[in-house]
Amino acid sequence: QVELVQSGAEVKKPGASVKISCKSSGYSFTSYYIHWVRQAAGQGLEWMAMIDPTGVATTSAQKFQGRVTMTSDTSTATVYMDLSSLRSDDAAIYYCTREGYSSTLDYWGQGTLVTVSS
Amino acid sequence: QSGLTQPPSVSAAPGQKVTISCSGSSSNIGLNYVSWYQHVPGTAPKLLIFDKNHRPSGIPDRFSASKSGASATLVITGLQTGDEADYYCGTWDSSLSAGVFGTGTKVTVV
Repeated sequence: QVELVQSGAEVKKPGASVKISCKSSGYSFTSYYIHWVRQAAGQGLEWMAMIDPTGVATTSAQKFQGRVTMTSDTSTATVYMDLSSLRSDDAAIYYCTREGYSSTLDYWGQGTLVTVSS
Repeated sequence: QSGLTQPPSVSAAPGQKVTISCSGSSSNIGLNYVSWYQHVPGTAPKLLIFDKNHRPSGIPDRFSASKSGASATLVITGLQTGDEADYYCGTWDSSLSAGVFGTGTKVTVV
């Protein structure tokens, strides 16, 4: 069965970077894009970025451009999302999710809580 | 980044029907398929509806959706207490080259 498993919770100081992993299983890793979505406390879902797991292409929302870097390791079927220059408003639960048929987000990771505190 | 607009909350009694609207623009809903997600805080969002009105395996036909122009609608019939959650519409914005979500709607069963 399709499964996306994310790395554990992180606590970071303002200005630091955080790197979250998303390991895929149960399907052909290179055939589906992976997206990153976050939700801050009391807020809605926010689309951040996506990556072609072959590593050929990445796209991110304008507000994250220059701060988000995504990489892919096809040998371990794992995608990584690195967010730099963390601010207090980056505190959120970060989800990886697979883009399936008709560009829908059909499978989701369990989420990774990122706390930003001095 | 522009988003899609949803009502903050809707409520109804068990067994009744609720309708959730999702308003966008010609560059997102007007051009692309809309998906709907159910999100219980603390858990991963769940895909409810995709494409024109398709449900993944395991999603009951009490959930249905439609789209007209730059707006979309989710309908939940036979409301159950287990349906209490936040619901989001989502699609791709071809002008922004970015994904967009609705502002989210909290469904309460009263």
